[in-house]
Amino acid sequence: GESVGLHLPTLSVQEGDNSIINCAYSNSASDYFIWYKQESGKGPQFIIDIRSNMDKRQGQRVTVLLNKTVKHLSLQIAATQPGDSAVYFCAEIWSGYNKLIFGAGTRLAVHP
Amino acid sequence: DVKVTQSSRYLVKRTGEKVFLECVQDMDHENMFWYRQDPGLGLRLIYFSYDVKMKEKGDIPEGYSVSREKKERFSLILESASTNQTSMYLCASSFPDRGRIYEQYFGPGTRLTVT
Repeated sequence: GESVGLHLPTLSVQEGDNSIINCAYSNSASDYFIWYKQESGKGPQFIIDIRSNMDKRQGQRVTVLLNKTVKHLSLQIAATQPGDSAVYFCAEIWSGYNKLIFGAGTRLAVHP
Repeated sequence: DVKVTQSSRYLVKRTGEKVFLECVQDMDHENMFWYRQDPGLGLRLIYFSYDVKMKEKGDIPEGYSVSREKKERFSLILESASTNQTSMYLCASSFPDRGRIYEQYFGPGTRLTVT
């Protein structure tokens, strides 16, 4: 929603630059991770996912990196565009609990 | 494309009123979810459902109930609205995979204000 990004960490980038959004997850037993994008006034939209048996996965202009040693997830966006401006959430699946746990989110602001 | 719709985008209710938030999905998904989203807190799970007439409490069920009479529809009920329930409410659905929860499809959200 419109106020989602008000209290979130913000990453400001120039149009055309690459963006890296980071996320620390909590449960070492989590075996599946998702990145969501939420534009103002809309619900979250799936961007890309990764399973714990992988350390990298690429999509169109996006790459997700998983470092299980330090429980860290990152989303890289190549050639960032104004349409990429949004709040980005990582989410983890807690094995055995069968539910999705969301991070607080990071706001990405793309400047021309 | 999966479509998840929510009955209202904006809603204003008075303290003590009973509030119904409706969610409908058109992809025959078994799993449906209700979250609330507050600044700095991310999405928190209120209730979810794996099947018709089935419900499970999420992390913050207090003050809420749900109803799933049909597969495509999942309703969130605030029995007696309070000001601390002012929030953005998001509905989601997903197909099951041997009982696991994976990618969830979200509706546009309902911004509820309780005065």
